[in-house]
Amino acid sequence: AQSVTQLGSHVSVSEGALVLLRCNYSSSVPPYLFWYVQYPNQGLQLLLKYTTGATLVKGINGFEAEFKKSETSFHLTKPSAHMSDAAEYFCAVRDLYNFNKFYFGSGTKLNVKP
Amino acid sequence: DAGVIQSPRHEVTEMGQEVTLRCKPISGHNSLFWYRQTMMRGLELLIYFNNNVPIDDSGMPEDRFSAKMPNASFSTLKIQPSEPRDSAVYFCASSGGQMNTEAFFGQGTRLTVV
Repeated sequence: AQSVTQLGSHVSVSEGALVLLRCNYSSSVPPYLFWYVQYPNQGLQLLLKYTTGATLVKGINGFEAEFKKSETSFHLTKPSAHMSDAAEYFCAVRDLYNFNKFYFGSGTKLNVKP
Repeated sequence: DAGVIQSPRHEVTEMGQEVTLRCKPISGHNSLFWYRQTMMRGLELLIYFNNNVPIDDSGMPEDRFSAKMPNASFSTLKIQPSEPRDSAVYFCASSGGQMNTEAFFGQGTRLTVV
C-alpha cells in the first residue's frame, strides 16, 4: 500500500514569508498527487493536483507544488504567506494500480503570524 | 452541481443509539469514499465504493459500522450501537466522471456520542 509522509504536523511562518510544506510518497510508480486545504469546520478543498505533464503545478491562492520523481516528493510552496492561509493542509496520492484508492498524509497545520 | 451533500451536519446521540449518516455524491461520479477524522488518528479511510459496489472496507473499525450504497446517488454509513469513541467528523467524498482524478469532499458530519 502507498504511504504519504508529511514532515511537520505544525508549521509557523510570519506573514509575507515563504511557505514550504513537505510531502513524500512511497510509490515507485508516479501516482496522481494532490494537495488539499481544510479550514476549520469545513471539508477538504482541492488546492492543486499533478497527474501528468509539467512537474510544476500551480493551484489556487498562489500555491504551487513541484513533482520530483527522483525524490518521490511533492512539496507545497507559496512565496508570501497571508493570514488567510492559516489552515490544515493534506497531501494525498491516488494509487492508479490499487483500485484508484486515495491515501492521505497526516496533515500539516499552518499558522501565520502577523 | 451542488457538490457532495452530507446530512446531518451535526449529530448528538446517546451511547447505544443507532446513528445513520447520509451522503449524496456528485452526479456522474462512480467512486465514493467514507472517511473519519479525529485529532488522534487524523483522516482515516473507512470504506470505498466503486460503481455502488464496496471495494475495500478494511478501514471499517468494527462490526458496529456498516455502509451501503443502494444506488449511484446515495450512500449511508450506520453505526449501531454507537459509543463515545465514535465521536468524530465523518466525511464523504466522491470521484469520477471524465477526468476521474481528484476526490471531492462534503462538508462532513460532526458526530458526538455522549
